[in-house]
Amino acid sequence: GAVVSQHPSRVICKSGTSVKIECRSLDFQATTMFWYRQFPKQSLMLMATSNEGSKATYEQGVEKDKFLINHASLTLSTLTVTSAHPEDSSFYICSARAGSTDTQYFGPGTRLTVL
Amino acid sequence: QQPVQSPQAVILREGEDAVINCSSSKALYSVHWYRQKHGEAPVFLMILLKGGEQKGHEKISASFNEKKQQSSLYLTASQLSYSGTYFCGTEIQGAQKLVFGQGTRLTINP
Repeated sequence: GAVVSQHPSRVICKSGTSVKIECRSLDFQATTMFWYRQFPKQSLMLMATSNEGSKATYEQGVEKDKFLINHASLTLSTLTVTSAHPEDSSFYICSARAGSTDTQYFGPGTRLTVL
Repeated sequence: QQPVQSPQAVILREGEDAVINCSSSKALYSVHWYRQKHGEAPVFLMILLKGGEQKGHEKISASFNEKKQQSSLYLTASQLSYSGTYFCGTEIQGAQKLVFGQGTRLTINP
């Protein structure tokens, strides 16, 4: 149980384009989902917290107009990187938390490369 | 504020023990431990809640000292599969989110 999927696993795009990443909880309902970014050999940096049906809460320094988050249902959250630039290249990971537990389960991650 | 992990890296031979520490400057509600292998997402190991201590696996256990705002992860009789980077994630009461330490890289050699 507690499986979280992410799609796509890898994406390469040109500078200026937008990229959408999907995060799904497959066998539980996720009242809260989190989006993280991780640069090579660094820690997990929380970008935003997303609750189903409400606006995401962004961490300080994260541009909400650049990183659009939608939590449309209890099993799906999406992150759209708008007008991507090479400095947005990173490993993006989502996690999901069920309402009845404190545990966060991570998706497999999406490696974004912006050329 | 980001918790501090120590050591930053450790190299062991198979069968040896290791302790990884996680220290916070704030009072904690819970501590979560994860292991991440290169190029993969973190895998949940265990969670320790305020007022409790939990053993998640047979040879991997952890403690949580609320007064000292510290947690330690214990790996006994290490196996090659234990190699990876270990992260602690700390949660403050009411925060509903985790802040991760900088990670501890564990290398197990045959």
